[in-house]
Parts: sequence; structure tokens; C-alpha cells
Amino acid sequence: EPEVTQTPSHQVTQMGQEVILRCVPISNHLYFYWYRQILGQKVEFLVSFYNNEISEKSEIFDDQFSVERPDGSNFTLKIRSTKLEDSAMYFCASKFHDSSNQPQHFGDGTRLSIL
Amino acid sequence: DQQVKQNSPSLSVQEGRISILNCDYTNSMFDYFLWYKKYPAEGPTFLISISSIKDKNEDGRFTVFLNKSAKHLSLHIVPSQPGDSAVYFCAALSSYGGSQGNLIFGKGTKLSVKP
Repeated sequence: EPEVTQTPSHQVTQMGQEVILRCVPISNHLYFYWYRQILGQKVEFLVSFYNNEISEKSEIFDDQFSVERPDGSNFTLKIRSTKLEDSAMYFCASKFHDSSNQPQHFGDGTRLSIL
Repeated sequence: DQQVKQNSPSLSVQEGRISILNCDYTNSMFDYFLWYKKYPAEGPTFLISISSIKDKNEDGRFTVFLNKSAKHLSLHIVPSQPGDSAVYFCAALSSYGGSQGNLIFGKGTKLSVKP
């Protein structure tokens, strides 16, 4: 069964450094998402992406964050200058169609640890 | 602002018995609800969903019930199996206003099914 894959599984970065989290969505999917889960808290929406542009973003997704689909397969989340509070699990998700009854499929996440 | 609430952080059930996981929501614009299952070190896996035009959806051992007037949904697993032990997330979305279907998650309920 097709899967969303995320790399790396764990990223350790010094505060203030840039980090890029990578995702390969399911190949025929058109809608892409990033979520995060801070330890002990709920999964939170960050951003949605369709047709090479951001569709929606949350308050969390400030100027330090950016997303890109640099080629036909990868979908990346960049944090320009990381802060301690960026430490979290970051999940990428994708779905095929805009219809609300299409579930989003999630990757296994990247654990980001900011030191 | 907890738009989706799972008030039970954990639930323990004997193998073969019924597991009932509950979820409440506050936003009347939500029109689609999903349950995801999550094992440690993995991403959320889609389990079952229900549209707001229905009050029940069944898939094998899993049934989701929706009570719109009470803004409440529940996931029934019967019979429960040890492999069902995981964290279960309730999620909701609104398709209104051109939303791309960003999921709003509850905090999750950890289900333990004992042999």
C-alpha cells in the first residue's frame, strides 16, 4: 500500500540553525499538509499546500516557516531559525482529492529536537 | 481553544469486550469526522470516518456513531483485540469557506486491551 515517507526520523539541531524536514507524499495525491505534535499535546495543523502554493496556514506557521515542493515528489518544511519551542514531532500528510470524505494519510513523522 | 475534546486520556478493556471511545466537539461548522489510530513511533493511521449527514458508519469491528445535537461522537470496537492497543485520535474538519480540510485533533485516548 502506498505510504507517505518522511526523513529524517530524528533531527537534532542547535537553536538558531535552519532545518529542513522532508516528505514524499503518496504519488498521485494533490493536497499536502504539515502538522506538529509537541510532547504531551495534541496534533496541530500548520499548513496546507495545493497547486504549488499555500492554501491555508495556522497562527503557528509564522515567517520562520516555509514550505516548498521543489520537484514532482518531495514536499519540504523549512524552519529558518529554530527555537527551543520548535521541538516536536512533525507529521506530513497528503490526500488525493479535495473532497472532505477523502482521509489524509500521514507519514511516521520527524522528531525535531532543538538544543 | 479545544474545539475537539477527548476527555478520557486512557481506557483499559478486556480482550473480547467492547471498547467505547468518546469525542465531543464545539464547532457546529464541522461536517466530517475521522478516527485515527497511532502506535508509538508511527504516524496516525486512518481508521474510520463519518459525514455529518449520517449518524452511523460501520467497518468490520469498528463503528462510529455521531450525535449532532449533542455534538458528540463515539468509536465502538467490538470485539476488542490486544492489537487494538494504541492511542486513538478523534479529528474533525469543516469543508465550508473553501477550507482544504485541515484537521482539528483531540488530545487522544490511549486504549489498552488486556488479554
